[in-house]
Amino acid sequence: EILLTQSPATLSLSPGDGATLSCRASESVGNFLAWYQQKPGQAPRLLIYDVSNRATGIPARFSGSGYGTDFTLTISSLEPEDFAVYYCQQRINWPPITFGQGTRLEIK
Amino acid sequence: EVQLLESGGGLVQPGGSLRLSCAASGFTFNNFAMTWVRQAPGKGLEWVSTITGSGGTIYYADSVKGRFTISRDNSKNTLFLQMTSLRAEDTAVYYCAKAIAAAKISLDSWGQGTLVTVSS
Repeated sequence: EILLTQSPATLSLSPGDGATLSCRASESVGNFLAWYQQKPGQAPRLLIYDVSNRATGIPARFSGSGYGTDFTLTISSLEPEDFAVYYCQQRINWPPITFGQGTRLEIK
Repeated sequence: EVQLLESGGGLVQPGGSLRLSCAASGFTFNNFAMTWVRQAPGKGLEWVSTITGSGGTIYYADSVKGRFTISRDNSKNTLFLQMTSLRAEDTAVYYCAKAIAAAKISLDSWGQGTLVTVSS
């Protein structure tokens, strides 16, 4: 089973700041990595798939990068609605599909 | 517009059974794999099960294998999760989700979730 470790666990920033969230895999997942955003009381929302492809309707301030075992989700300039929990997910070697434990992005 | 609507959650005693449903609309249902993901209170996301568009291939997490059964009725655009021998650790919000492509399990549409509580 491929383990995904996200860092930091919590990130405290202000609107307008840039955010960098990391996801590290226990073995290579190639480019088969996705990112999701989840707000309290809501279902997750797909942001990025296959490392760097934005899902439909996702603003350009969200971008993804990486390959193999190290991946980054970057939010260029935080909007108030971006404060949420973010999860990475791999699909290269499944089952099982695995998710990271999440990074909470909170307002400083 | 893709819509996924789960139902069937509720309170059940340990050892009991429950059947979840997910009614889908807005896309060609039988063209896409469907997945159940759960989230225990205050915890992260856990993949539960995936079924291919035809229903011919099915995968389960080890934590539910032998107790849960995923199925689909493509004539009714509905996904199911039959849960038996339920345990306290199965308590979670259960989401159904659609794959972004036929067998590409990035989940681009999610239902609102249905809460399953296993408690005596």
